[in-house]
Amino acid sequence: ETGVTQTPRHLVMGMTNKKSLKCEQHLGHNAMYWYKQSAKKPLELMFVYNFKEQTENNSVPSRFSPECPNSSHLFLHLHTLQPEDSALYLCASSQDSGQGLGTGNTIYFGEGSWLTVV
Amino acid sequence: ELKVEQNPLFLSMQEGKNYTIYCNYSTTSDRLYWYRQDPGKSLESLFVLLSNGAVKQEGRLMASLDTKARLSTLHITAAVHDLSATYFCAVAEESNYQLIWGAGTKLIIKP
Repeated sequence: ETGVTQTPRHLVMGMTNKKSLKCEQHLGHNAMYWYKQSAKKPLELMFVYNFKEQTENNSVPSRFSPECPNSSHLFLHLHTLQPEDSALYLCASSQDSGQGLGTGNTIYFGEGSWLTVV
Repeated sequence: ELKVEQNPLFLSMQEGKNYTIYCNYSTTSDRLYWYRQDPGKSLESLFVLLSNGAVKQEGRLMASLDTKARLSTLHITAAVHDLSATYFCAVAEESNYQLIWGAGTKLIIKP
């Protein structure tokens, strides 16, 4: 079993749909992340949770709503998305997100959820 | 604002050759990460560089960090086809340790 698992791997949704992406980490980490990866753009950090508390929200539109019920699970709730939101959404985890990350704790990524908005 | 620039963005090379990927960044930091991504796959951690002059090697890949020049290099020695992938560097901001990512270097190694 991989350390960070994401479901679904592929999702096609209409602009009026509501769906959720799920992430689970089995590494005992305390920090979890959502990243967006679009073609020809650098990886964009969306949200950071450290010990279940949201510590970063990088000006993400409200149509993306994260939820972190515990340190092992992270959700990204999607509603009224736009076609330009089509991308690979990557979940990641690390031991912690603050100074620990600065001391070199590695971020481990899941395989991603490919989202297509039609 | 920290900016991270990788070059080249695309590199096609023959097996057996050596080459270097460069990662420049715009503000002070001494925490830099290199990752690899295969097509349709997740990102895999390669190296974490934590101080000026840090050098790490794994197989045919060697990474180094010069914090004074704000430059990291990923050197490929005697490339083999299996190293074909996209390579990303990421630099930790000093204020909040958030990682800022380069655009990635797509490396194709031809047999």
